[in-house]
Amino acid sequence: EAGVAQSPRYKIIEKRQSVAFWCNPISGHATLYWYQQILGQGPKLLIQFQNNGVVDDSQLPKDRFSAERLKGVDSTLKIQPAKLEDSAVYLCASSFDTGTGGYTFGSGTRLTVV
Amino acid sequence: KNEVEQSPQNLTAQEGEFITINCSYSVGISALHWLQQHPGGGIVSLFMLSSGKKKHGRLIATINIQEKHSSLHITASHPRDSAVYICAAAGGTSYGKLTFGQGTILTVHP
Repeated sequence: EAGVAQSPRYKIIEKRQSVAFWCNPISGHATLYWYQQILGQGPKLLIQFQNNGVVDDSQLPKDRFSAERLKGVDSTLKIQPAKLEDSAVYLCASSFDTGTGGYTFGSGTRLTVV
Repeated sequence: KNEVEQSPQNLTAQEGEFITINCSYSVGISALHWLQQHPGGGIVSLFMLSSGKKKHGRLIATINIQEKHSSLHITASHPRDSAVYICAAAGGTSYGKLTFGQGTILTVHP
């Protein structure tokens, strides 16, 4: 079974630029999550999708972050404009059962904003 | 106070030692996850527990629902076990959402 695919692996941008991350979850996984992990901290949920609908985006900074999951499969997370404090690893995860989990994580995208 | 607390934050061991990492949570959960993260790497799911005990190789995870406490044990530790170990609680107020502990940095010396 293929894992959760994320791209790119690394990205360096200047502040105020835009960036987009892509995630392809495991086939058949209805639930998709984007997490932000700042160095030295645990991951923080940014947004949770159930198929193509948003379940929880309470911690998504909506003035600069946006995410979509068209057709309930792939997802993109965008930051526009980026700030220095957005430097982090952005992790995508998917699960087949929101009740008891069964999470699979992608390898993450490491973003550095300079 | 964090909803998921891990201890210790840092752990150093000699190869072969028995290791225990503890996790306490204050939220209602549907499952408790133990995750492993190597430097620069993604997160690997080790266990998902809703009750009792699970074993995989040299790793053992236990959970006590009444006490809201879980432990991860590593028997006969090896330098390749060096990583960050994270416990995360699933469920509670947000169905399926994970609330993460701060992680335990484990270093095993040869």
